[in-house]
Amino acid sequence: EPEVTQTPSHQVTQMGQEVILRCVPISNHLYFYWYRQILGQKVEFLVSFYNNEISEKSEIFDDQFSVERPDGSNFTLKIRSTKLEDSAMYFCASSVGYRVEYTFGSGTRLTVV
Amino acid sequence: GQQLNQSPQSMFIQEGEDVSMNCTSSSIFNTWLWYKQDPGEGPVLLIALYKAGELTSNGRLTAQFGITRKDSFLNISASIPSDVGIYFCAGQLGGTYKYIFGTGTRLKVLA
Repeated sequence: EPEVTQTPSHQVTQMGQEVILRCVPISNHLYFYWYRQILGQKVEFLVSFYNNEISEKSEIFDDQFSVERPDGSNFTLKIRSTKLEDSAMYFCASSVGYRVEYTFGSGTRLTVV
Repeated sequence: GQQLNQSPQSMFIQEGEDVSMNCTSSSIFNTWLWYKQDPGEGPVLLIALYKAGELTSNGRLTAQFGITRKDSFLNISASIPSDVGIYFCAGQLGGTYKYIFGTGTRLKVLA
């Protein structure tokens, strides 16, 4: 069964440092997403990406965040200057269309200290 | 912003019992998804619903897209210990790419 792959599974970073979270979506999917989940809370939308541009973003996705699809397979989320409150599980997801189900990756646990 | 109210928040049930959970909102959704999340893992899709009134089954799971398009429910029949986890509903509004997730139902099954 095709999978969305995320690396690393766990990242610890110092406050103020930049982090890049990496995702390899399912190969024939066209829509890509980042969500986050603060410990014990619900999953929250960050951004959707289609046709090499952001199609929608939430109020959480401020200027500290950026996404990129640097080649034909990877999809990255960059946080420029991490804050303590950025500590969360970050999930990448992909889908073939926008009004269909997503497939989620296993997540990257980001801990900002 | 839009909210999805999911209930119950948590439940303990005996193995073999049936379980019901639901999501409600004041907003109208075009699509409903139900996911299960195990600790430290990403959400795994259980059922997708695309039309109002649609009733869809996946093994012991049955979900329905409410006729008003503002709610959805998930039933699990004859629960087993591996049903333990957190169940999330997710709804997609018209004209948007994102899904809004419910607050989750934490299910614990007693053997």
